[in-house]
Amino acid sequence: DVKVTQSSRYLVKRTGEKVFLECVQDMDHENMFWYRQDPGLGLRLIYFSYDVKMKEKGDIPEGYSVSREKKERFSLILESASTNQTSMYLCASKTWTGPNLPEAFFGQGTRLTVV
Amino acid sequence: GEDVEQSLFLSVREGDSSVINCTYTDSSSTYLYWYKQEPGAGLQLLTYIFSNMDMKQDQRLTVLLNKKDKHLSLRIADTQTGDSAIYFCAESLRTGGFKTIFGAGTRLFVKA
Repeated sequence: DVKVTQSSRYLVKRTGEKVFLECVQDMDHENMFWYRQDPGLGLRLIYFSYDVKMKEKGDIPEGYSVSREKKERFSLILESASTNQTSMYLCASKTWTGPNLPEAFFGQGTRLTVV
Repeated sequence: GEDVEQSLFLSVREGDSSVINCTYTDSSSTYLYWYKQEPGAGLQLLTYIFSNMDMKQDQRLTVLLNKKDKHLSLRIADTQTGDSAIYFCAESLRTGGFKTIFGAGTRLFVKA
């Protein structure tokens, strides 16, 4: 059974803290993504990575950075958390090699509250 | 630019059909998807259609694609209370690192 695991379901952090959100996938997928989900706005892409040590900005990268040191792990970093980063964060992975359908597999989400 | 739009809410009675609509802008789409999100959970793929198809049927689900109008719809026959969820339309692009672009999601309410 394919799996994308996010390290926390719920997090509460203080304004100004550095926050790490971790995501691990066990499917050997090349591509990994971080989205944030807000009511009425749907999923917005923050960053994605198509290979180890490679990263690309998505639509809303400001205030975030990412790290992909190993193929299975993609970390989202909030350098200095602010209240407008309170949101649900979703990690996803997918492959585009061979005949496989390029379905994105999602983690269960991390609900981050910044106070 | 890349954009996927869908209405935010839909309410139907149990047993009726639900139709959720979506429009997209990028003509380089390869696959178009419908994802379902139940409360407190991540997204799960419900069904998909390849961009050279017009229709796909999968049990209670029918997907219609009008490529000329860039319009995608999901019909759920005999809607049940367990179908209450948020449904996301999404497209995979040939360009841009194989990004998947999501709509805002349609919250489906099913009244008993």
